[in-house]
Amino acid sequence: GAGVSQSPSNKVTEKGKDVELRCDPISGHTALYWYRQSLGQGLEFLIYFQGNSAPDKSGLPSDRFSAERTGGSVSTLTIQRTQQEDSAVYLCASSLEVGRPLHFGNGTRLTVT
Amino acid sequence: EDQVTQSPEALRLQEGESSSLNCSYTVSGLRGLFWYRQDPGKGPEFLFTLYSAGEEKEKERLKATLTKKESFLHITAPKPEDSATYLCAVASGTYKYIFGTGTRLKVLA
Repeated sequence: GAGVSQSPSNKVTEKGKDVELRCDPISGHTALYWYRQSLGQGLEFLIYFQGNSAPDKSGLPSDRFSAERTGGSVSTLTIQRTQQEDSAVYLCASSLEVGRPLHFGNGTRLTVT
Repeated sequence: EDQVTQSPEALRLQEGESSSLNCSYTVSGLRGLFWYRQDPGKGPEFLFTLYSAGEEKEKERLKATLTKKESFLHITAPKPEDSATYLCAVASGTYKYIFGTGTRLKVLA
């Protein structure tokens, strides 16, 4: 594929609803990362996948957040019972291997009303 | 603790006025230092990778340099289209990438 693709690009949801964010990484990239970027803030690490495994889930803000990756490719970040503080841009990035440049998608802008 | 600090937070330049952005880092086991450009509503766009002190990379009006403690992104004769937020990140000895909070650059015509 050309680059990292994320969908939807925008999502508005009501407080308490569940949302699913999708990431299609660059083909062949084994490492996949999720970050959260709030207005005026830096990039907050959420979770890292090597293949289908997530060695470190400690960046997930609460147990309402979960993520999976299947087939060493597509990843889904799920937020259950969304809260207003979950409003942010969720960025996905992939890399050929750890230590090489991360390539980012354009993110999903989540707004919880 | 691994840390990346960027300065200044914001920078306004006149078109053609050259300047430098700074990225200071402390990391255990540097695997690479990366510069990104981020435009509003977009994800960070990869610019450069630097792996060892003394290394330099250039692309159009941008030049990145690396020492053992910091990296500079030099912008020569900037144009309004160079306006963006510039992010610096380091890859540590583990799987983590540590990002700075960025420098917001505004180039005035």
